[in-house]
Amino acid sequence: GENVEQHPSTLSVQEGDSAVIKCTYSDSASNYFPWYKQELGKRPQLIIDIRSNVGEKKDQRIAVTLNKTAKHFSLHITETQPEDSAVYFCAASTSQNFNKFYFGSGTKLNVKP
Amino acid sequence: SAVISQKPSRDICQRGTSLTIQCQVDSQVTMMFWYRQQPGQSLTLIATANQGSEATYESGFVIDKFPISRPNLTFSTLTVSNMSPEDSSIYLCSGLEDRETQYFGPGTRLLVL
Repeated sequence: GENVEQHPSTLSVQEGDSAVIKCTYSDSASNYFPWYKQELGKRPQLIIDIRSNVGEKKDQRIAVTLNKTAKHFSLHITETQPEDSAVYFCAASTSQNFNKFYFGSGTKLNVKP
Repeated sequence: SAVISQKPSRDICQRGTSLTIQCQVDSQVTMMFWYRQQPGQSLTLIATANQGSEATYESGFVIDKFPISRPNLTFSTLTVSNMSPEDSSIYLCSGLEDRETQYFGPGTRLLVL
């Protein structure tokens, strides 16, 4: 089955700096890669996603890049703000596997004001 | 986007008893899933809830322990049976829109004494 690894487990940045979280996956059939943000005590919420036919996607201060050859994808947050502090999860999915999602272990991002 | 609610939001139960968690979606979704999340950990898929048929369980999860129903496209239940303290966790349901976009319920916090 699919194995998704995520690094780092914790990340502390100064407000205004950039943050990068990286994930790798093992199943070359995976073709959909969402990122979720989970604030303390809240549900995970989709913040951005990328499909395998695209190399990069941007939405305001967040962007995701995908390297299919190397089987890795990354989340980039620019101009970080204290409200970006949360746990971020990457995931991989394939429509060939009944759309099951395999999650990374999570990254706790702390943005210091 | 789909809005998902869960009941109860939290419960404290005695070992040996069972608890049924309800998940309601405000619109039809193609697939529904049940996850378990230990505090500070990632999401672990328990099973895919199939409408009108038996759920599909992931390795390590069995129907006798986690019976699941999905009588229609917008409602599902998960029962945690014969509970032990090791079952203490957060249980989340999710619904899949457009075969890719996944929305989560708020979770049910379960403590087994």
